[in-house]
Amino acid sequence: AQSVTQLDSQVPVFEEAPVELRCNYSSSVSVYLFWYVQYPNQGLQLLLKYLSGSTLVKGINGFEAEFNKSQTSFHLRKPSVHISDTAEYFCAVRGSYGQNFVFGPGTRLSVLP
Amino acid sequence: NAGVTQTPKFQVLKTGQSMTLQCAQDMNHNSMYWYRQDPGMGLRLIYYSASEGTTDKGEVPNGYNVSRLNKREFSLRLESAAPSQTSVYFCASSEDSLLREQYFGPGTRLTVT
Repeated sequence: AQSVTQLDSQVPVFEEAPVELRCNYSSSVSVYLFWYVQYPNQGLQLLLKYLSGSTLVKGINGFEAEFNKSQTSFHLRKPSVHISDTAEYFCAVRGSYGQNFVFGPGTRLSVLP
Repeated sequence: NAGVTQTPKFQVLKTGQSMTLQCAQDMNHNSMYWYRQDPGMGLRLIYYSASEGTTDKGEVPNGYNVSRLNKREFSLRLESAAPSQTSVYFCASSEDSLLREQYFGPGTRLTVT
């Protein structure tokens, strides 16, 4: 079985500052990793995913994430945030043998003017 | 292309009442899912359907039933609603491939009084 930890439930940051949202996972098998974003009163949208290959993955809206197998982490970063990035961000893992998605508890990013 | 649609958007029930949440997708996906989202707990899988004609329990199936009506539609039924079922419910769909992400509907906000 897989599990996902997002250590920060809330992250406030000023506009144009960099941000990192942390995600750690545990799994006994190889995994595929995803970051989703949820804007207020909306469903989840895919930001980026890691399937294989390069450990640095680029997504939409200027976000990127780095897969670190030894640290079992998949942290999300953006070098300069905008007010419009205010949302909840979910890390998700899926086992490579067809297991279902497991979502972390989410990190609420608040971008302050 | 509407993607994943859910009805209703909002619902208030009294304890003991029943209702069905509807979900449809127009992406010809084989797999469909029902999640509930509660504060601080992320998304938890209620039931899923890997393909038309099959359904399986997820992490929190108690108090719910599902029907995969056809390839497009996957409904979630609460037979006797309880206050603990107050939540936001999301339907999602995905292709068969393990490499594919899930696409989410806009959610149904359910309150049980």
